[in-house]
Amino acid sequence: AQSVTQLGSHVSVSEGALVLLRCNYSSSVPPYLFWYVQYPNQGLQLLLKYTSAATLVKGINDFEAEFKKSETSFHLTKPSAHMSDAAEYFCAVRAYTQGGSEKLVFGKGTKLTVNP
Amino acid sequence: DAGITQSPRHKVTETGTPVTLRCHQTENHRYMYWYRQDPGHGLRLIHYSYGVKDTDKGEVSDGYSVSRSKTEDFLLTLESATSSQTSVYFCAIKQGIADTQYFGPGTRLTVL
Repeated sequence: AQSVTQLGSHVSVSEGALVLLRCNYSSSVPPYLFWYVQYPNQGLQLLLKYTSAATLVKGINDFEAEFKKSETSFHLTKPSAHMSDAAEYFCAVRAYTQGGSEKLVFGKGTKLTVNP
Repeated sequence: DAGITQSPRHKVTETGTPVTLRCHQTENHRYMYWYRQDPGHGLRLIHYSYGVKDTDKGEVSDGYSVSRSKTEDFLLTLESATSSQTSVYFCAIKQGIADTQYFGPGTRLTVL
């Protein structure tokens, strides 16, 4: 079964510092992996996705993530944090229902705080 | 923007009452999903639909039913609301490369 573990429910960084949000996955098939961001009182917005092409994936707002099969990881990074990056971030892996349809399995989320 | 709207956006109801949440999409997507979001749990799949009148259960389907009588609308019904169903409910559609899911704005439901 597919699953995702996000290490650290809360991460705090200073403005301008590197952002690193950790995600490890478990999958019995080649995974499709996603990062979503949720700003306060809003829905989830897709940041980036890995679909078995390039292992370094670039997304919106200068975020990127690297797929590392040997480490079963898909960590999200951004070189320089902005105040506007404060949000909750979710890692997800594509999985399958008992009926054979696709679904997403989400991690529990990491709340990012950016300090001035 | 995948053209998804949810209604109502906020609802407060009492234990034991039925509640229906609506998800509406304008782009003819085949797959639609209902998730609930709770602190410390991320998002969990309640039900999904793979076409008109074709629905199936997710991992937290107890106490919920769904209906899809036309492509654009996917309804989630809490037949007898309980306090444990206080949550934020998100609808999603699947489209595009890697069958990516896109989410609606959410409905915040409080059951007193």
